[in-house]
Amino acid sequence: GESVGLHLPTLSVQEGDNSIINCAYSNSASDYFIWYKQESGKGPQFIIDIRSNMDKRQGQRVTVLLNKTVKHLSLQIAATQPGDSAVYFCAENGSSNTGKLIFGQGTTLQVKP
Amino acid sequence: KAGVTQTPRYLIKTRGQQVTLSCSPISGHRSVSWYQQTPGQGLQFLFEYFSETQRNKGNFPGRFSGRQFSNSRSEMNVSTLELGDSALYLCASSFTGTARMNTEAFFGQGTRLTVV
Repeated sequence: GESVGLHLPTLSVQEGDNSIINCAYSNSASDYFIWYKQESGKGPQFIIDIRSNMDKRQGQRVTVLLNKTVKHLSLQIAATQPGDSAVYFCAENGSSNTGKLIFGQGTTLQVKP
Repeated sequence: KAGVTQTPRYLIKTRGQQVTLSCSPISGHRSVSWYQQTPGQGLQFLFEYFSETQRNKGNFPGRFSGRQFSNSRSEMNVSTLELGDSALYLCASSFTGTARMNTEAFFGQGTRLTVV
């Protein structure tokens, strides 16, 4: 079946440290992946995306890594700040060639001051 | 540039009633998708509209329906409401809505529906 999963429901880090949030996907035909951040009371906010023809993509303080061999995706946040506290979702746009996104269950990132 | 706008933000309905939610996508975006978010099931895809046509549909009963207008605004309707329909309903818009066209999907703030 379709599933995108995250390894840990909660991640607690110290302010200033780097954070790594992991995600495993099951559909080997998936060719597009997105990370979203959702703060309490808000809709998911686009962070960064990556296509299957890439292994790594960098944004501002964030890096997404894709390992197609083991169907694993990760989001790295450098110098984590209190404002990074939120739930992070990975999502997959499979090979259906539509806008449908399949979401993982989410990881809650807690940043300790 | 305005983001995705969903109205209303909050709704309280009684079992058996019906409800209509509205979504205005980002200007120029033609794809609108709807999701249901609950603590137990997470984010679940409902359906997607592109150029006024339903392009994809998730595994929800027929009580859930939607439509898209020529200006790309979309509505979703839930009839005969059940307690389990209580959720945050999210709308996402993208330019073309396909991975191969390299377009991100942007979400609105959602409509919080409570069925009592």
